[in-house]
Amino acid sequence: AQKVTQAQTEISVVEKEDVTLDCVYETRDTTYYLFWYKQPPSGELVFLIRRNSFDEQNEISGRYSWNFQKSTSSFNFTITASQVVDSAVYFCALTEARGNKLVFGAGTILRVKS
Amino acid sequence: KAGVTQTPRYLIKTRGQQVTLSCSPISGHRSVSWYQQTPGQGLQFLFEYFSETQRNKGNFPGRFSGRQFSNSRSEMNVSTLELGDSALYLCASSFIAGGPTGELFFGEGSRLTVL
Repeated sequence: AQKVTQAQTEISVVEKEDVTLDCVYETRDTTYYLFWYKQPPSGELVFLIRRNSFDEQNEISGRYSWNFQKSTSSFNFTITASQVVDSAVYFCALTEARGNKLVFGAGTILRVKS
Repeated sequence: KAGVTQTPRYLIKTRGQQVTLSCSPISGHRSVSWYQQTPGQGLQFLFEYFSETQRNKGNFPGRFSGRQFSNSRSEMNVSTLELGDSALYLCASSFIAGGPTGELFFGEGSRLTVL
């Protein structure tokens, strides 16, 4: 069975600090996809990134970066120079190669204080 | 373009009643998925529809059902409501289903409270 663990329930940082959100996953599939979503107070989940199991290259998008390591089954997310607008719940998710059935982690609440 | 629209946004029901939630996907998207979000269980997959056919189903009792219409709009129904059904129900649409999953576009959800 697939499983996603986000061990950090809540993180508080001061604006401009860097913060890393951890994600560890379990799956028996050789082909799978990993995602990060952001959920602001409005409730809708906002897609941040998708990574397939064959692509271990790290990715950077503005202040966001992702580190995917198959050897440790981790897909961590770093926000550089955090801003108050980054405050939200962040979810890591996993799915098999087919379909849109996502398995989500419990989420990490990020609070960025000014 | 317009995003995923869910109605109603908020509703209150009593135990034993039934409820129907609606989801209009982004124009051109043919796959609609439903998720339940609760503080205790987190985000859990309910089911996915593509071209009016249920393609995948999560581990929920038969009281939870859904359907998809020819215009890709989807509805989910929960019968004989229980207190534990209180949750945020999220709908997501995507262009394709059954293949490498791409970006899912989520609506703001329907928040159901069961008293």
